[in-house]
Amino acid sequence: AQSVTQPDIHITVSEGASLELRCNYSYGATPYLFWYVQSPGQGLQLLLKYFSGDTLVQGIKGFEAEFKRSQSSFNLRKPSVHWSDAAEYFCAVGGVGNAGNMLTFGGGTRLMVKP
Amino acid sequence: NAGVTQTPKFRVLKTGQSMTLLCAQDMNHEYMYWYRQDPGMGLRLIHYSVGEGTTAKGEVPDGYNVSRLKKQNFLLGLESAAPSQTSVYFCASSPGGLNQETQYFGPGTRLLVL
Repeated sequence: AQSVTQPDIHITVSEGASLELRCNYSYGATPYLFWYVQSPGQGLQLLLKYFSGDTLVQGIKGFEAEFKRSQSSFNLRKPSVHWSDAAEYFCAVGGVGNAGNMLTFGGGTRLMVKP
Repeated sequence: NAGVTQTPKFRVLKTGQSMTLLCAQDMNHEYMYWYRQDPGMGLRLIHYSVGEGTTAKGEVPDGYNVSRLKKQNFLLGLESAAPSQTSVYFCASSPGGLNQETQYFGPGTRLLVL
Protein backbone atom coordinates (compact mmCIF):
# COMPACT_ATOMS: atom_id res chain seq x y z
CA ALA A 1 0.00 0.00 0.00
CA GLN A 2 1.17 3.49 -0.71
CA SER A 3 1.87 5.93 2.10
CA VAL A 4 3.19 9.43 2.60
CA THR A 5 5.00 10.78 5.64
CA GLN A 6 5.51 14.43 6.44
CA PRO A 7 7.74 14.31 9.52
CA ASP A 8 7.25 17.93 10.56
CA ILE A 9 3.77 18.80 11.84
CA HIS A 10 4.65 22.46 12.46
CA ILE A 11 7.46 24.62 11.13
CA THR A 12 8.14 28.29 11.96
CA VAL A 13 10.49 30.38 9.83
CA SER A 14 11.30 34.05 9.69
CA GLU A 15 10.17 36.07 6.72
CA GLY A 16 12.93 36.11 4.13
CA ALA A 17 14.48 32.87 5.37
CA SER A 18 14.71 29.74 3.27
CA LEU A 19 12.27 26.86 3.67
CA GLU A 20 12.38 23.12 3.21
CA LEU A 21 9.40 20.88 3.91
CA ARG A 22 10.07 17.17 3.99
CA CYS A 23 8.08 14.43 2.33
CA ASN A 24 8.85 10.72 2.21
CA TYR A 25 6.73 8.23 0.34
CA SER A 26 6.26 4.54 -0.11
CA TYR A 27 4.95 3.34 -3.44
CA GLY A 28 5.45 0.10 -5.29
CA ALA A 29 5.54 1.50 -8.82
CA THR A 30 6.46 4.70 -10.62
CA PRO A 31 5.17 7.47 -8.36
CA TYR A 32 3.46 10.64 -9.34
CA LEU A 33 4.15 13.23 -6.64
CA PHE A 34 2.34 16.40 -5.71
CA TRP A 35 2.51 19.29 -3.31
CA TYR A 36 -0.68 21.12 -2.42
CA VAL A 37 -1.16 24.21 -0.25
CA GLN A 38 -4.18 24.99 1.87
CA SER A 39 -4.75 28.50 3.18
CA PRO A 40 -6.99 28.84 6.24
CA GLY A 41 -10.61 28.07 5.43
CA GLN A 42 -9.80 27.26 1.81
CA GLY A 43 -9.57 24.22 -0.40
CA LEU A 44 -6.33 22.75 -1.67
CA GLN A 45 -4.36 24.41 -4.44
CA LEU A 46 -1.78 22.55 -6.51
CA LEU A 47 1.74 23.97 -6.09
CA LEU A 48 3.63 21.56 -8.30
CA LYS A 49 3.78 17.99 -9.52
CA TYR A 50 6.30 15.44 -10.68
CA PHE A 51 5.45 12.79 -13.24
CA SER A 52 8.77 12.06 -14.97
CA GLY A 53 11.87 13.68 -16.43
CA ASP A 54 13.83 16.40 -14.67
CA THR A 55 13.84 15.61 -10.96
CA LEU A 56 13.79 19.29 -9.98
CA VAL A 57 10.37 20.73 -10.65
CA GLN A 58 9.27 24.32 -10.46
CA GLY A 59 5.88 25.36 -9.20
CA ILE A 60 3.82 28.42 -8.55
CA LYS A 61 4.63 31.11 -5.98
CA GLY A 62 8.38 30.48 -6.25
CA PHE A 63 8.30 26.93 -4.88
CA GLU A 64 10.33 24.03 -6.17
CA ALA A 65 10.66 20.38 -5.22
CA GLU A 66 13.25 17.72 -5.88
CA PHE A 67 12.45 14.05 -6.45
CA LYS A 68 15.09 11.72 -5.04
CA ARG A 69 14.25 8.14 -5.90
CA SER A 70 17.07 6.69 -3.80
CA GLN A 71 15.72 8.42 -0.71
CA SER A 72 12.01 8.09 -1.59
CA SER A 73 11.71 11.79 -0.96
CA PHE A 74 10.07 14.79 -2.58
CA ASN A 75 11.02 17.79 -0.47
CA LEU A 76 9.53 21.22 -1.09
CA ARG A 77 11.77 24.29 -1.01
CA LYS A 78 11.56 28.03 -1.29
CA PRO A 79 14.61 30.31 -1.09
CA SER A 80 12.86 33.25 0.60
CA VAL A 81 9.59 32.90 2.48
CA HIS A 82 6.92 35.59 2.43
CA TRP A 83 4.34 36.16 5.16
CA SER A 84 1.63 35.10 2.70
CA ASP A 85 3.18 31.61 2.53
CA ALA A 86 1.79 30.81 5.98
CA ALA A 87 -0.52 27.86 5.32
CA GLU A 88 -0.70 24.09 5.54
CA TYR A 89 1.20 22.07 2.98
CA PHE A 90 0.32 18.56 1.87
CA CYS A 91 2.43 16.09 -0.05
CA ALA A 92 0.58 13.41 -2.03
CA VAL A 93 1.48 10.35 -4.09
CA GLY A 94 -0.34 8.56 -6.89
CA GLY A 95 0.86 6.55 -9.81
CA VAL A 96 0.64 4.70 -13.07
CA GLY A 97 -1.94 1.99 -13.02
CA ASN A 98 -3.50 3.25 -9.85
CA ALA A 99 -7.18 2.52 -10.24
CA GLY A 100 -9.14 5.74 -10.23
CA ASN A 101 -5.90 7.68 -10.03
CA MET A 102 -6.29 7.88 -6.30
CA LEU A 103 -3.96 10.05 -4.29
CA THR A 104 -2.63 9.30 -0.85
CA PHE A 105 -1.92 12.37 1.24
CA GLY A 106 0.51 13.00 4.04
CA GLY A 107 -0.66 14.43 7.34
CA GLY A 108 0.37 17.95 6.41
CA THR A 109 2.90 20.50 7.66
CA ARG A 110 1.65 23.77 9.06
CA LEU A 111 3.97 26.65 8.21
CA MET A 112 4.07 29.77 10.35
CA VAL A 113 6.04 32.83 9.26
CA LYS A 114 7.52 35.25 11.79
CA PRO A 115 7.82 38.91 10.77
CA ASN B 1 -15.48 28.66 -14.99
CA ALA B 2 -16.50 28.15 -11.39
CA GLY B 3 -14.30 25.04 -11.11
CA VAL B 4 -15.39 22.75 -8.28
CA THR B 5 -18.19 23.97 -6.03
CA GLN B 6 -19.62 22.41 -2.89
CA THR B 7 -22.99 22.86 -1.19
CA PRO B 8 -23.51 23.58 1.69
CA LYS B 9 -20.48 25.34 3.17
CA PHE B 10 -21.39 24.50 6.74
CA ARG B 11 -23.93 22.25 8.42
CA VAL B 12 -24.83 21.13 11.91
CA LEU B 13 -26.57 17.77 12.33
CA LYS B 14 -27.89 15.81 15.26
CA THR B 15 -26.83 12.21 15.66
CA GLY B 16 -28.99 9.98 13.48
CA GLN B 17 -30.00 12.66 11.00
CA SER B 18 -29.27 12.28 7.31
CA MET B 19 -27.95 14.72 4.76
CA THR B 20 -26.49 14.99 1.27
CA LEU B 21 -23.47 17.00 0.25
CA LEU B 22 -23.40 18.17 -3.33
CA CYS B 23 -20.31 18.60 -5.46
CA ALA B 24 -20.46 20.13 -8.92
CA GLN B 25 -17.72 20.71 -11.49
CA ASP B 26 -17.90 22.55 -14.78
CA MET B 27 -14.61 21.34 -16.26
CA ASN B 28 -16.03 18.22 -17.91
CA HIS B 29 -13.78 16.04 -15.73
CA GLU B 30 -14.22 12.29 -15.77
CA TYR B 31 -13.06 11.51 -12.24
CA MET B 32 -14.50 12.85 -9.02
CA TYR B 33 -13.58 12.24 -5.38
CA TRP B 34 -14.83 12.81 -1.86
CA TYR B 35 -12.31 13.26 0.96
CA ARG B 36 -12.57 14.01 4.62
CA GLN B 37 -9.96 16.06 6.45
CA ASP B 38 -9.25 15.58 10.12
CA PRO B 39 -6.48 17.27 12.13
CA GLY B 40 -3.10 15.59 11.70
CA MET B 41 -4.46 12.98 9.30
CA GLY B 42 -4.32 14.80 6.01
CA LEU B 43 -7.04 13.96 3.53
CA ARG B 44 -8.52 10.50 3.40
CA LEU B 45 -10.47 9.26 0.42
CA ILE B 46 -14.07 8.24 1.13
CA HIS B 47 -15.42 7.31 -2.30
CA TYR B 48 -14.57 8.13 -5.86
CA SER B 49 -16.02 7.88 -9.36
CA VAL B 50 -14.25 7.23 -12.65
CA GLY B 51 -17.21 8.30 -14.78
CA GLU B 52 -20.91 8.94 -14.90
CA GLY B 53 -22.85 6.11 -13.31
CA THR B 54 -19.80 4.59 -11.57
CA THR B 55 -18.67 4.73 -7.96
CA ALA B 56 -16.02 2.95 -5.91
CA LYS B 57 -14.90 2.80 -2.29
CA GLY B 58 -11.88 4.63 -1.02
CA GLU B 59 -9.99 4.33 2.22
CA VAL B 60 -12.78 5.23 4.67
CA PRO B 61 -16.16 4.46 3.03
CA ASP B 62 -18.14 3.20 6.02
CA GLY B 63 -21.18 5.31 6.91
CA TYR B 64 -21.23 7.09 3.54
CA ASN B 65 -22.87 6.52 0.18
CA VAL B 66 -22.35 8.29 -3.13
CA SER B 67 -24.01 8.70 -6.48
CA ARG B 68 -22.86 10.04 -9.84
CA LEU B 69 -26.01 10.26 -11.95
CA LYS B 70 -24.66 13.17 -13.98
CA LYS B 71 -21.08 13.65 -15.05
CA GLN B 72 -20.84 17.07 -13.46
CA ASN B 73 -22.27 16.13 -10.06
CA PHE B 74 -21.07 13.83 -7.29
CA LEU B 75 -23.25 13.45 -4.21
CA LEU B 76 -22.11 12.26 -0.80
CA GLY B 77 -24.78 10.95 1.55
CA LEU B 78 -24.78 10.33 5.27
CA GLU B 79 -27.74 8.10 6.10
CA SER B 80 -27.42 8.26 9.89
CA ALA B 81 -24.87 10.82 11.03
CA ALA B 82 -22.53 10.03 13.92
CA PRO B 83 -20.25 12.38 15.91
CA SER B 84 -17.25 10.58 14.35
CA GLN B 85 -18.32 12.05 11.02
CA THR B 86 -17.63 15.58 12.24
CA SER B 87 -15.05 16.72 9.74
CA VAL B 88 -14.31 18.94 6.80
CA TYR B 89 -15.32 17.34 3.52
CA PHE B 90 -13.59 18.13 0.26
CA CYS B 91 -14.66 17.23 -3.22
CA ALA B 92 -12.16 17.04 -6.06
CA SER B 93 -12.19 16.26 -9.76
CA SER B 94 -9.60 15.31 -12.34
CA PRO B 95 -9.63 15.13 -16.13
CA GLY B 96 -9.11 12.04 -18.22
CA GLY B 97 -6.10 11.60 -20.45
CA LEU B 98 -2.53 12.56 -19.75
CA ASN B 99 -3.31 14.97 -16.93
CA GLN B 100 -5.79 12.75 -15.19
CA GLU B 101 -3.69 12.52 -12.07
CA THR B 102 -4.00 16.21 -11.18
CA GLN B 103 -6.90 16.82 -8.87
CA TYR B 104 -8.76 20.11 -8.46
CA PHE B 105 -10.42 20.78 -5.13
CA GLY B 106 -13.56 22.51 -3.97
CA PRO B 107 -13.62 24.91 -0.99
CA GLY B 108 -14.89 22.31 1.48
CA THR B 109 -17.96 21.65 3.63
CA ARG B 110 -17.60 21.84 7.39
CA LEU B 111 -19.90 19.34 9.12
CA LEU B 112 -20.56 19.19 12.83
CA VAL B 113 -22.51 16.24 14.22
CA LEU B 114 -23.82 16.69 17.76
